[in-house]
Amino acid sequence: SAVISQKPSRDICQRGTSLTIQCQVDSQVTMMFWYRQQPGQSLTLIATANQGSEATYESGFVIDKFPISRPNLTFSTLTVSNMSPEDSSIYLCSAVGPSYEQYFGPGTRLTVT
Amino acid sequence: SQQGEEDPQALSIQEGENATMNCSYKTSINNLQWYRQNSGRGLVHLILIRSNEREKHSGRLRVTLDTSKKSSSLLITASRAADTASYFCATESSGSARQLTFGSGTQLTVLP
Repeated sequence: SAVISQKPSRDICQRGTSLTIQCQVDSQVTMMFWYRQQPGQSLTLIATANQGSEATYESGFVIDKFPISRPNLTFSTLTVSNMSPEDSSIYLCSAVGPSYEQYFGPGTRLTVT
Repeated sequence: SQQGEEDPQALSIQEGENATMNCSYKTSINNLQWYRQNSGRGLVHLILIRSNEREKHSGRLRVTLDTSKKSSSLLITASRAADTASYFCATESSGSARQLTFGSGTQLTVLP
């Protein structure tokens, strides 16, 4: 299985600032995704991180708010821009393994004050 | 609306008992995956069942899939206190590019 790490594991940020979350996979993978899990809720897909091109966003999520980079097959970043308290969530990246299992990183717990 | 709906929302059992969680979904799928999440932690992948499979086992876990009813169940046998967690089903819809749609989750509490 793929081992996925995320940095930071948690952060407390002020309203109006931005935070960039890093995701590193220990092997080359074709598909990487970013999800959000609001407190007490299930996971919602934010976007597909495409290697070498713009991310594909799900309904309700836009590039200006959640810019994503994926410079190679093992690394991606998600930025949460101009944060508000409503952005307080756990943000998780995932990668698809060779048998289509999707593995998740440990998550980044973001609190916006 | 959610692709996957799980029931029950919460389940409390005694150690040693079996726990069954159900998941229903709406569209055709390529596969269905079950995950465990301990409080405040990341998701642990438990098992993947493909649309052409009906049952799969992994240790104390047994997953069934009924595509005609668009439903799946996760059975944990001989539960332990360490099994206490939230359990989510997630579906990969046919024609999707591997994106997963998650169910609402079942909170399982195993009492020692």
